[in-house]
Amino acid sequence: DAGVIQSPRHEVTEMGQEVTLRCKPISGHNSLFWYRQTMMRGLELLIYFNNNVPIDDSGMPEDRFSAKMPNASFSTLKIQPSEPRDSAVYFCASSLRGLDYGYTFGSGTRLTVV
Amino acid sequence: AQSVSQHNHHVILSEAASLELGCNYSYGGTVNLFWYVQYPGQHLQLLLKYFSGDPLVKGIKGFEAEFIKSKFSFNLRKPSVQWSDTAEYFCAVTDSGTYKYIFGTGTRLKVLA
Repeated sequence: DAGVIQSPRHEVTEMGQEVTLRCKPISGHNSLFWYRQTMMRGLELLIYFNNNVPIDDSGMPEDRFSAKMPNASFSTLKIQPSEPRDSAVYFCASSLRGLDYGYTFGSGTRLTVV
Repeated sequence: AQSVSQHNHHVILSEAASLELGCNYSYGGTVNLFWYVQYPGQHLQLLLKYFSGDPLVKGIKGFEAEFIKSKFSFNLRKPSVQWSDTAEYFCAVTDSGTYKYIFGTGTRLKVLA
């Protein structure tokens, strides 16, 4: 298994532009999580999906952020418009409920908004 | 609400020293506990986990952790650290009714060669 795949690995964009981060979870995993990591705030859960349905989006910072999971093998996190304070590493993780609560994390997308 | 506290934010050790990183959580119910490691520039990787049974859990790379229910603690230990253990370590908890993790703020470990 290739693990959780995120793209792009690095993204540099100008303030005001739309940014889309992508995630492909491990095949068969039914839970998917988006985290944001910054020096100031550590790891923050943004949203999690179970069976493609958003269960908890209370961590999404504001309306500029949106996430979708159209099917079991793909999710996106979109920021529109982006701001410099959105600069962070965004991790996607997936897990299989019931057998193992451990997450498998992707390699992350380092976003820089200038 | 659940919370996880990691009191040591930065730890510096010499190689071969023993390591103990503290983790305390606040939750009265049944919990699942985890330690993750993040090497510089990499993603988080699972070190070990506790669901039930023997409170002393052994993980990868010689790490172990002990669950002490009465103290709400799950401290990470390693008898002899190596330079390659330089990383950030995160404790996480989730209750048995959900798999939404609560992560601690992390402890940055630097091992001097």
